[in-house]
Amino acid sequence: DSGVTQTPKHLITATGQRVTLRCSPRSGDLSVYWYQQSLDQGLQFLIQYYNGEERAKGNILERFSAQQFPDLHSELNLSSLELGDSALYFCASSEDSENTEAFFGQGTRLTVV
Amino acid sequence: GIQVEQSPPDLILQEGANSTLRCNFSDSVNNLQWFHQNPWGQLINLFYIPSGTKQNGRLSATTVATERYSLLYISSSQTTDSGVYFCAVIDSWGKLQFGAGTQVVVTP
Repeated sequence: DSGVTQTPKHLITATGQRVTLRCSPRSGDLSVYWYQQSLDQGLQFLIQYYNGEERAKGNILERFSAQQFPDLHSELNLSSLELGDSALYFCASSEDSENTEAFFGQGTRLTVV
Repeated sequence: GIQVEQSPPDLILQEGANSTLRCNFSDSVNNLQWFHQNPWGQLINLFYIPSGTKQNGRLSATTVATERYSLLYISSSQTTDSGVYFCAVIDSWGKLQFGAGTQVVVTP
């Protein structure tokens, strides 16, 4: 158990819908990362937050947004879902933004039908 | 941004064999990690190794930061070693960037 909790584990939804994925970082970790992994693909960096502020941004679609709350948990919102958004979404956390080890949650498997 | 290249892309091993996986990166880094993604999709931390050598059981890793590469050694491979091995580094923008991974299949 990495200590990073993601909910839900599985999600099936229809095209055009909106979903929210939740991540609780390890105790004491200030940095949260979000990644997308499509079928048989590598991990694509979406966005990173550090202590509530956006720290770095990857190729995140405009239909996607995220935030980190004062209690340091983070949410990734995916809207106007398309079939191609079906993927495994991972959250990771680390103590700071550069020099410490990152740990990953078990992921949320999103299926858009 | 920083480029992270892993080789080989695929590796088939017989149980008991040894292997070496390589990760090259295009710029200096403060952070390098190796992960194993098991067949159930879970990402397992193997090593946090910005430089030097570490060992954990049958696995060991070496990072030569000045030459911008890291190696992961698997000895006496077992079927449970199957999966994808990823190398990841923090770039200058603070992004944890992953390589494309090495798919390892260990056959009985």
